[in-house]
Amino acid sequence: GAVVSQHPSRVICKSGTSVKIECRSLDFQATTMFWYRQFPKQSLMLMATSNEGSKATYEQGVEKDKFLINHASLTLSTLTVTSAHPEDSSFYICSATRSAMNTEAFFGQGTRLTVV
Amino acid sequence: GIQVEQSPPDLILQEGANSTLRCNFSDSVNNLQWFHQNPWGQLINLFYIPSGTKQNGRLSATTVATERYSLLYISSSQTTDSGVYFCAPLPGRRALTFGSGTRLQVQP
Repeated sequence: GAVVSQHPSRVICKSGTSVKIECRSLDFQATTMFWYRQFPKQSLMLMATSNEGSKATYEQGVEKDKFLINHASLTLSTLTVTSAHPEDSSFYICSATRSAMNTEAFFGQGTRLTVV
Repeated sequence: GIQVEQSPPDLILQEGANSTLRCNFSDSVNNLQWFHQNPWGQLINLFYIPSGTKQNGRLSATTVATERYSLLYISSSQTTDSGVYFCAPLPGRRALTFGSGTRLQVQP
């Protein structure tokens, strides 16, 4: 299978600060990357779809000014949580697919964000 | 959007037992994946199965796309099988939609 690496795995930040999470496809080029959010004991909810070189598509109810997504290359997408608040504390996880023809998704290790 | 239902929500097994997890979905899909989420949150790819049956060791999966369901079979369960199992169909858009999961606990 393919390898997707996410960094950091865990971060604690102060309320009002910004946090950047990186998602890299290590052994393949990912035309599309996805960002999900998971609250404790709940399922994964799609936040946004990120295509290399274009603006991300956000799901309804996800604030694009708060969750900034940049997909600068075929192997890297970043999610920046701006002006974080305690309610943003969650598990964030990215996934990547190779192409429109090969849609198997591979997931990063996830980032546990705690805002204090 | 597509609705995904997984059953049972919780399952406790004795080591060595077999089990079947079910995933029903409301719309036609291009593909479907099964994942195991370990205690650290990592999602492990189990199967990429749009239709038919696949087997990988003690695990196998069957998807009947025309009837909109998929099954995951776990045989001779081990304590390391514990965790949450997610079904995630891929509808027309290119993003997986996750079910609510089945929380499995295998006791020694």
